[in-house]
Amino acid sequence: EIVLTQSPGTLSLSPGERATLSCRASQSISSSQLAWYQQKPGQTPRLLIYGTSTRATGIPDRFSGSGSGTDFTLTISRLEPEDFAVYYCQHHGSSFGQGTKLEIK
Amino acid sequence: EVQLVESGGGLVQPGGSLRLSCAASGFTFSTYWMAWVRHAPGKGLEWVANLNKDESEKHYVGSVKGRFTISRDNAKSSLYLQMNNLRADDTAVYYCVTYRIMAAITDWGQGTLVTVS
Repeated sequence: EIVLTQSPGTLSLSPGERATLSCRASQSISSSQLAWYQQKPGQTPRLLIYGTSTRATGIPDRFSGSGSGTDFTLTISRLEPEDFAVYYCQHHGSSFGQGTKLEIK
Repeated sequence: EVQLVESGGGLVQPGGSLRLSCAASGFTFSTYWMAWVRHAPGKGLEWVANLNKDESEKHYVGSVKGRFTISRDNAKSSLYLQMNNLRADDTAVYYCVTYRIMAAITDWGQGTLVTVS
């Protein structure tokens, strides 16, 4: 079973700053099988990125994904107020990372 | 518009059973993998189980193997989760989800709360 570890657990930034979220797999995985989700309080998660780097429909281009092997990254280029939320990576539609909380500094 | 509507949650004692149902509409249910994902209070998302379009493949997270059974009825566009021998750590909101993109969850129901106490 592949375990995904996200870091940091909490990231405190200000609007306009750049956010870099990490997701590390316990063993090498296919880039086609890594997805990212955003969850805001009281809402269901929303798919942001699939296949490591493909933005889902309607996702702004300030969100980007990259990586390969065991190390994957979600980057938000310039934070907007609505971006503060919890972010999860997921492998192969199954195991999730534990999440990174992006909070306003 | 894709709609996933869960039902069947509630309060149950440890060791008890519940059957969750999910009614799907707005897409061709029979052609997609489906899954259950849960979110326990104060914790992260946890994938519980998934299955392919004809039930020939089913997968479970280790903590529920032997206790939970996922199934579907394509004629009724419905997904099910039979949960037996429930434990306190099964307490969570359970979401019905679908993968309309390979290896990515595209749609979520609103969830149904299961409380084991």
